[in-house]
Amino acid sequence: QVLLQESGPGLVKPSGTLSLTCTVSSGSISSNNGWSWVRQPPGKGLEWIGEIYHGGSTNYNPSLKSRVTISLDKSNKQFSLSLSSVTAADTAVYYCMAVRPDLSAPPSWGQGTLVTVSS
Amino acid sequence: DIQMTQSPSSLSASVGDRVTITCRAGQTISTYLNWYQQKPGKAPKLLIYAASSLQSGVPSRFSGSGSGTDFSLTIRGVQPEDLATYYCHQSYISPYTFGQGTKLEIK
Repeated sequence: QVLLQESGPGLVKPSGTLSLTCTVSSGSISSNNGWSWVRQPPGKGLEWIGEIYHGGSTNYNPSLKSRVTISLDKSNKQFSLSLSSVTAADTAVYYCMAVRPDLSAPPSWGQGTLVTVSS
Repeated sequence: DIQMTQSPSSLSASVGDRVTITCRAGQTISTYLNWYQQKPGKAPKLLIYAASSLQSGVPSRFSGSGSGTDFSLTIRGVQPEDLATYYCHQSYISPYTFGQGTKLEIK
């Protein structure tokens, strides 16, 4: 299993862009994992945002697709989330996650980071 | 999107009880089904992956079964520390989706 750690600003202004980074340790970012982002608004359930593979291909949740970009930085063993035009509804704990497409290894999660959208 | 429906939404159990939580997928997902336990203020903790594989370090009282569209998580001999919300998660087809959660309370 890989170890994941999220980082980024905890406060973003409305209409701004939320940017988070996930650092991969104890594992290779070039492995066959889908490097994903998931979020959880306070008191609510889990929502998958999107994923990127080591070759650069991406999949996004259609509900967020127009505002989301996920990118990969292999040299720094990181992948990043950018969510534009944020509103209070985007306030959530954001998690990064690694999932093998064939589930040949157990999924891994970061500890999560709370991002609040407020002026 | 594949809808994942968990039942019940909440349940109350006594220490030592056997508890089963079910998860139904809106279409077949083979065995691409994971179960998580989440305690307040904490990240989801993986219990079961690929429908029935027990994650390393997870007590053996937890077990998972199912394939296709119907899955279940069973806790044999509930303990006080099992107080949590449990989620199923399909990783078969993007967008990967989660169940709405089942809150387990201890009597």
